[in-house]
Amino acid sequence: DSGVTQTPKHLITATGQRVTLRCSPRSGDLSVYWYQQSLDQGLQFLIQYYNGEERAKGNILERFSAQQFPDLHSELNLSSLELGDSALYFCASSDYRGLGGELFFGEGSRLTVL
Amino acid sequence: AQKVTQAQTEISVVEKEDVTLDCVYETRDTTYYLFWYKQPPSGELVFLIRRNSFDEQNEISGRYSWNFQKSTSSFNFTITASQVVDSAVYFCALSEARSSGSARQLTFGSGTQLTVLP
Repeated sequence: DSGVTQTPKHLITATGQRVTLRCSPRSGDLSVYWYQQSLDQGLQFLIQYYNGEERAKGNILERFSAQQFPDLHSELNLSSLELGDSALYFCASSDYRGLGGELFFGEGSRLTVL
Repeated sequence: AQKVTQAQTEISVVEKEDVTLDCVYETRDTTYYLFWYKQPPSGELVFLIRRNSFDEQNEISGRYSWNFQKSTSSFNFTITASQVVDSAVYFCALSEARSSGSARQLTFGSGTQLTVLP
């Protein structure tokens, strides 16, 4: 158990819909990262937050957005969903050091868009 | 831009065989970190090891060992006496070191699917 909690574990929805994925980082970790894992793209970095502020953006679509709340939990919002958005979405957290610290991953949220 | 290459897409071995998973990386930074993660069939990503660019000592942890060679930009992972429970996808990842609290992200390789047959 990494200490990172993600909900929901599984989600099935239709094209055009909007979903929200939730992540609670490990106790004390200030950084939250979102990754997307798909068969064709592999593990892709989407976005990072540190103590409520956005710190880095990767290959995140404009239809996707995220935020980190004062209690440090984070949400990833996916809108106007397309079939290609079906993937496993991971949240990870790391401690304040950032430098060289490993990322601890949650179990992922598997999104299926029909 | 940093890049991680895991050329072996799939490897299949028989239990008790040794197996080495290759990882080659590219970075322009002199300070960076390398990682290995395991993704078992259940799907979660499990951290295995971290190595910084200044520490080229090889590391052994039980049946696992890692060979870091800066000269060839490689960070290979060997499992000795493999077991069926080792069956998983293994990812190598690279992180460029920056100031504390700043943006830091892992760039992952495409992964190697290891199947250990009984």
